[in-house]
Amino acid sequence: DIQMTQSPVSLSASLGETVSIECLASEGVSNDLAWYQQKSGKSPQLLIYAASRLQDGVPSRFSGSGSGTRYSLKISGMQPEDEADYFCQQSYKYPLTFGSGTKLEIK
Amino acid sequence: EVQLVESGGGLVQPGGSLKLSCAASGFTFSNDYMAWVRQAPKKGLEWVATISTSGLTTYYPDSVRGRFTISRDNAESSLYLQMNSLRSEDTATYYCVKHTSRISIDYWGQGVLVTVSS
Repeated sequence: DIQMTQSPVSLSASLGETVSIECLASEGVSNDLAWYQQKSGKSPQLLIYAASRLQDGVPSRFSGSGSGTRYSLKISGMQPEDEADYFCQQSYKYPLTFGSGTKLEIK
Repeated sequence: EVQLVESGGGLVQPGGSLKLSCAASGFTFSNDYMAWVRQAPKKGLEWVATISTSGLTTYYPDSVRGRFTISRDNAESSLYLQMNSLRSEDTATYYCVKHTSRISIDYWGQGVLVTVSS
């Protein structure tokens, strides 16, 4: 199985700050990597797919990058509504696996 | 508007069975792979099962293989998850999800809670 190691586990950011979340796969996933946002008490929502493609309707301050085994999600200018849990997921190979999540809070 | 509405959750004893249903609307159901993803209380996300468009091919992680069965009815735009031999560790919110062509997940239902406890 492909293990997804996500970091940091938690972080706090000031409004307007740029933050990054990393995901390291135990083997290459060929850009089959997605990022999800889950607000408290809600279902997850797709932010980024294919490592860097922005899902329709997602604000442009969200961006994804990476290749091979290393991927990252960047939020350029933290907003109050960005406070949430974030998860990465590889869809390169079954079983599909998720990172353990990053809790992002406002400082 | 895509909608995925789960039902069938509840409290079940260890060793028991439960069948979840998901009613899909707002897209051509028969064109998309579908899946179930679960989330234990205060925990992360765990993929549970995926089914192909025809229903002929299914995928499971080791944690549920042989106990859970995913199925679909394209005529009814419905997805199902039959869960047998339930364990306490199966306690979670179960989400019905729609896959993209690259098997990421572009739509999630609101989730249904399954509690396995005596």
